[in-house]
Amino acid sequence: DGGITQSPKYLFRKEGQNVTLSCEQNLNHDAMYWYRQDPGQGLRLIYYSQIVNDFQKGDIAEGYSVSREKKESFPLTVTSAQKNPTAFYLCASSIKQDSYEQYFGPGTRLTVT
Amino acid sequence: GEDVEQSLFLSVREGDSSVINCTYTDSSSTYLYWYKQEPGAGLQLLTYIFSNMDMKQDQRLTVLLNKKDKHLSLRIADTQTGDSAIYFCAENNDMRFGAGTRLTVKP
Repeated sequence: DGGITQSPKYLFRKEGQNVTLSCEQNLNHDAMYWYRQDPGQGLRLIYYSQIVNDFQKGDIAEGYSVSREKKESFPLTVTSAQKNPTAFYLCASSIKQDSYEQYFGPGTRLTVT
Repeated sequence: GEDVEQSLFLSVREGDSSVINCTYTDSSSTYLYWYKQEPGAGLQLLTYIFSNMDMKQDQRLTVLLNKKDKHLSLRIADTQTGDSAIYFCAENNDMRFGAGTRLTVKP
């Protein structure tokens, strides 16, 4: 089955620790995205990547880092510099940037205490 | 910066029509989208409209676009309890999403 997966579904961390969220797609999509969702707010773009070995900051990149070493994978690291890391994180991919459809993963809920 | 806005809540009776509204500011968007999110899940694309169209119909869904007023709406005909979810409008130029409208369908 083609799709986009995120793991784990729930993640708990202590404050001050870095944590990496996984995102994998087997859709052969060039573009991948990370969003953060908070209650009562829309999705906010953290980082996106149009192609392997390239990525750009979105609206709220501070405290996050990404890598795109393989087309299929776009992991997001939430660093200890992120002031409010507890949120629902969504990964998406599209055939290319500005493609009419983004496919979303099921999300990872990160709780930092 | 550019923005996408929508009301946060809508409640309808089963069988009625639902209309979810959205306004956006970025006039250079090529596509405008409606996504559906069920509890604890990712987003699923419901429908999209090209910016040079003013209407698109897909079964129970009708999308209306008023480009002059930068207003987008989603009408769901014969709303069912399974339509209860959060609906997001989005534009593709800066990948901006609205805050989402929580649709509650009462039996």
